[in-house]
Parts: sequence; structure tokens; C-alpha cells
Amino acid sequence: EAQVTQNPRYLITVTGKKLTVTCSQNMNHEYMSWYRQDPGLGLRQIYYSMNVEVTDKGDVPEGYKVSRKEKRNFPLILESPSPNQTSLYFCASSRNPIGAYEQYFGPGTRLTVT
Amino acid sequence: EDKVVQSPLSLVVHEGDTVTLNCSYEVTNFRSLLWYKQEKKAPTFLFMLTSSGIEKKSGRLSSILDKKELFSILNITATQTGDSAIYLCAVYTGAQKLVFGQGTRLTINP
Repeated sequence: EAQVTQNPRYLITVTGKKLTVTCSQNMNHEYMSWYRQDPGLGLRQIYYSMNVEVTDKGDVPEGYKVSRKEKRNFPLILESPSPNQTSLYFCASSRNPIGAYEQYFGPGTRLTVT
Repeated sequence: EDKVVQSPLSLVVHEGDTVTLNCSYEVTNFRSLLWYKQEKKAPTFLFMLTSSGIEKKSGRLSSILDKKELFSILNITATQTGDSAIYLCAVYTGAQKLVFGQGTRLTINP
């Protein structure tokens, strides 16, 4: 089954404790992206990757890091989480160019930073 | 700054009603407009529009794009409770990213 998986699905952590949210897709997509979703703000892009070893900032990259060492995986790293990073996070993947193909979204990770 | 604005932000109707959701955009370089439906969690793809005036249709859902007036509408006829969701509009600007609107929360009451 074609899918994007994320782990964990739910996470409660404390300020400053480094965490990683994993994302994996099995569709051999070149493009992967991370979004955060906050009430009233829609989906905002954090980082994206057009292919292995190629990543770039989205609209809200501050406080996040990513890496793309393999085509299927695109982890999101919060080196020192803060309460304003409490949000619902989605990973997505697509063929290139992304505007010509639908993006497939993962199930989401609900992160709470206290 | 590229911007996508959806209206209304929230809508409550009765089962069987017809609804129209709006998406307007101001972007420097328009390539395509996409609609997604978000029920419990992950958004799922509905339509992709690139040309003005050509209606895309899937069952009771349809969508059309007006590139002159810079907007799109999503119509849902004979609504059902299963249509309750957040509907997201996004514009692809060619910069390898999608710009999303805030979403419209649609609630269908039986």
C-alpha cells in the first residue's frame, strides 16, 4: 500500500529536550516536505527536499532541522523545542514537479512542548 | 508575499444543502491550484486546476478556476454528514512549494 508514515503520532515533551519525528514514504517520490498546522493559520511549510541531499527552507524553518540521506526518509529534528512549536505536524511526499502531482500526507504528529 | 485566502472560515449547513467554498489568491507566479479534504487527520487530494473555466468534477463535488479574477470555488451538492471536514486550498507557485489557505471548516448537520 502506498503510504507516508510518521512516528511518533503523539508526543509530549519538555522545553529544550531534543526530539526527532521520523517520516518515511514507499512511493519512490523525489519530493518530501514538512508542514505544521495551527488553528486559523492553515498548513505552513517548514522545510522541503527535492531529492537526496537537497533540502531547502520553507516559510517557517526557525527552530527546525531536516536531513535527506535516503530517498524514502525525511526526519524532522527539533534541537531545542519550545512551547511555540506545539502544533500538528505533517510530512508529505510527491513526484516532481509538485504542482503537477498530488501530495500524499502522513497521518500527522501531534506535538506538545511544555 | 504570496497569499491564499479561503472563505468562509467556517460553515454549518443541513444535510442535503449545496455549499460553495471560496479560494482567492495573490501570488507572483501561478502554476496550479489544488483542493484537499482533511477529515480526521491527513489531507487527501480532491482536485488540481490549471486552466480557467474548465470544471473538474467528482461525484457531488466540482471545482472551477478563474485565473482572471484569481479565485477558485469548490461546490458540493446534496451534502452528506460524511462531507464534514476541513477543506484546504493550495496554490503552486513554481518555487517547489505549495501556499495553503487557512482552510474552511464545513459541518453538515443531519
